[in-house]
Amino acid sequence: DSGVTQTPKHLITATGQRVTLRCSPRSGDLSVYWYQQSLDQGLQFLIQYYNGEERAKGNILERFSAQQFPDLHSELNLSSLELGDSALYFCASSVGDRSYEQYFGPGTRLTVT
Amino acid sequence: GESVGLHLPTLSVQEGDNSIINCAYSNSASDYFIWYKQESGKGPQFIIDIRSNMDKRQGQRVTVLLNKTVKHLSLQIAATQPGDSAVYFCAERHGQNFVFGPGTRLSVLP
Repeated sequence: DSGVTQTPKHLITATGQRVTLRCSPRSGDLSVYWYQQSLDQGLQFLIQYYNGEERAKGNILERFSAQQFPDLHSELNLSSLELGDSALYFCASSVGDRSYEQYFGPGTRLTVT
Repeated sequence: GESVGLHLPTLSVQEGDNSIINCAYSNSASDYFIWYKQESGKGPQFIIDIRSNMDKRQGQRVTVLLNKTVKHLSLQIAATQPGDSAVYFCAERHGQNFVFGPGTRLSVLP
């Protein structure tokens, strides 16, 4: 158990809908990272937050957004969902801004039908 | 859970043998590299890392080698055990972005 929690574990929704994925980092970790893992594209970095502020952006679509709250939990919002958004979404956390040892949560499996 | 990367390259090794997993990275400006292990139904797990100013780093039963000339990274696992069966990813960091390789599935034969 990495200490990172993600909810929900599974999510099934229809195209065009909007969903919110939630992540709680390990106790003491200030950075939260979001990743998407799909069969055809592998693991892709989406975005990083550090202590409430956006720190780095990867391959995140404009339909997706994220935020980190004062209690350090983070939410990833996915809107106007398409079939291709079906994937595993992982959250990871680390102690600092440039700490490379990231601890991954168990993931949320999103299925868009 | 559902298998990740059903068509990944697979390395099959006998239990007790050494495993070598290779990775070609893309950006010569990448300054940091990480190996992750992902077991079925779980998130990636950090194994070992190496900075670009190093050629080799050893951990417990694992060694990472970095060849910057040919942009190649390898992970060596000594005395491979059944619990090592998983998908292994390399990741490179350049700027603030992390780029992951496609992964290699390691299968340990009894």
